[in-house]
Amino acid sequence: DSGVTQTPKHLITATGQRVTLRCSPRSGDLSVYWYQQSLDQGLQFLIQYYNGEERAKGNILERFSAQQFPDLHSELNLSSLELGDSALYFCASSYSAILDTEAFFGQGTRLTVV
Amino acid sequence: AQTVTQSQPEMSVQEAETVTLSCTYDTSESDYYLFWYKQPPSRQMILVIRQEAYKQQNATENRFSVNFQKAAKSFSLKISDSQLGDAAMYFCAYRKYSGGGADGLTFGKGTHLIIQP
Repeated sequence: DSGVTQTPKHLITATGQRVTLRCSPRSGDLSVYWYQQSLDQGLQFLIQYYNGEERAKGNILERFSAQQFPDLHSELNLSSLELGDSALYFCASSYSAILDTEAFFGQGTRLTVV
Repeated sequence: AQTVTQSQPEMSVQEAETVTLSCTYDTSESDYYLFWYKQPPSRQMILVIRQEAYKQQNATENRFSVNFQKAAKSFSLKISDSQLGDAAMYFCAYRKYSGGGADGLTFGKGTHLIIQP
């Protein structure tokens, strides 16, 4: 168990809908990273937050957004969902903003868009 | 932009044997980090080993070791005395040194490692 908690584990929704994925980092970790794993694109970095502020952006679509709350949990919001958004979404956390400590991954949320 | 290439989609090895997984990367940076992650059927991403580019000594973690060739931009993973529990997808990943900034990991496509009993 990495200590990073992601909910829900599975999510099935229809095209055009909006969903929210939740991540609780390890105790003491200030940085949260979101990744998408799909058959087409592989593992891609989406976005990073550190202590409530956005620190880095990867290949995140404009339909997607994220935030980190004062208690350090993070949410990834996916809207106007398309079939191609079906993927495994990972959250990772680390103490540092620059990942000089190893990032611990959650078990992921499997999103299926039908 | 940096890229990471794993040229072996699948590898198979007999239990107790040694196997080497290949990874090459492309970057214009001089300072960066390289990682190998393991993803078993449980889907959990588990850090296996990491290497700082400024270190000449190859990293080792128990049965896992790397061969880091900076000039060739090569970063292979050697697994000695393979065990059934080593069966998983293995991902090579890169992150540039941000110098106080931030960045995410760039992953390769992965190598599926099969352990034959």
